[in-house]
Amino acid sequence: LAKTTQPISMDSYEGQEVNITCSHNNIATNDYITWYQQFPSQGPRFIIQGYKTKVTNEVASLFIPADRKSSTLSLPRVSLSDTAVYYCLGLSGAGSYQLTFGKGTKLSVIP
Amino acid sequence: GAGVSQTPSNKVTEKGKYVELRCDPISGHTALYWYRQSLGQGPEFLIYFQGTGAADDSGLPNDRFFAVRPEGSVSTLKIQRTERGDSAVYLCASSDGTGPAYRQFFGPGTRLTVL
Repeated sequence: LAKTTQPISMDSYEGQEVNITCSHNNIATNDYITWYQQFPSQGPRFIIQGYKTKVTNEVASLFIPADRKSSTLSLPRVSLSDTAVYYCLGLSGAGSYQLTFGKGTKLSVIP
Repeated sequence: GAGVSQTPSNKVTEKGKYVELRCDPISGHTALYWYRQSLGQGPEFLIYFQGTGAADDSGLPNDRFFAVRPEGSVSTLKIQRTERGDSAVYLCASSDGTGPAYRQFFGPGTRLTVL
């Protein structure tokens, strides 16, 4: 499974776009990049997943360049309720599909 | 529909005692996972069930930890002779298949405190 590296914390003002970059230099051919969000006292929640190029859903966008050694989660116009820990995971396309979490990025949205 | 539920939400026990933590997955989900999360860390995989069988228990830290899923739905994580180091939030997740196409849905967790 890909080992991922992401910033420990980030601050942003309300209404701004937030980009969280994740490095995964040893990503394997069949690995997907998956992002989860976790609020205090709750379990993680799936946000978005991609293999290459760009994926967009109602919550976020995920940009993965051609070499797939990094990816960027983009949150448009954040609000206070987006304050959470965001985890970047490399999800293998084979095996038990267990999720391997790092420490994540703690995003603090400031009024 | 109902999400993943876990009971109890909090459990305080004394060192050396036995505890059981319960997980009710989303109805029809065949895959069930247990994770453990310590303060300031991301969740750590413990065990994965496909149906009734434990397909991967490589994350269980030692033989004091055991989990069952006898009918392929509800699962119980059992911890014998609890130690203070077992204190953590225990998370359960389920999915309706395995593979990147099947996202895992997490419960709120059980916070275990061993005194």
